Amino acid sequence: GQNIDQPTEMTATEGAIVQINCTYQTSGFNGLFWYQQHAGEAPTFLSYNVLDGLEEKGRFSSFLSRSKGYSYLLLKELQMKDSASYLCAFMDSNYQLIWGAGTKLIIKP
Amino acid sequence: NAGVTQTPKFRVLKTGQSMTLLCAQDMNHEYMYWYRQDPGMGLRLIHYSVGEGTTAKGEVPDGYNVSRLKKQNFLLGLESAAPSQTSVYFCASRTGRGDTGELFFGEGSRLTVL
Repeated sequence: GQNIDQPTEMTATEGAIVQINCTYQTSGFNGLFWYQQHAGEAPTFLSYNVLDGLEEKGRFSSFLSRSKGYSYLLLKELQMKDSASYLCAFMDSNYQLIWGAGTKLIIKP
Repeated sequence: NAGVTQTPKFRVLKTGQSMTLLCAQDMNHEYMYWYRQDPGMGLRLIHYSVGEGTTAKGEVPDGYNVSRLKKQNFLLGLESAAPSQTSVYFCASRTGRGDTGELFFGEGSRLTVL
């Protein structure tokens, strides 16, 4: 079967670093996505990993290990505007996205 | 830069009523999707389309119908609304086969069924 799991909620301090983990199981894999969703808004694309390793994009980085079925999103120099839900999703063998329930990130001053 | 536009943004229905949600995209995308998002759950795929005139069932299609008569529009219909269909509905689109898979979302439509 297919499943995907990420923590429900995390809390971090402004200016700090936070790592949001995502684990998945699937027989067919065509990439791992991270989206950001502010409360009451639509998800917006953050990153895409299809090969193992780290992809860096400004303050945000995303890592993938296909052999371990594991990804993480790393947010550096946290700002209050980073308070949001972060959605992990993988693309399966039918090129459809399977979504995690999202991790709500709370940033405290 | 309209992107993906959903109408209406809010709607309250009584059980048994019908309605249609409209999704329009101006990016010439081939693939379009309808998701629902409920608290504590991931986005769940209702129906999707890989091109004009085509539709397919997703993970939770029961109680919904869709049509893609024009490439830019994807309609989601509820024939007889039920309280279990109270949710936030998101339309999304992507370029199509061979792309990175990045989805572009509409702002969402909040539906309450009493």
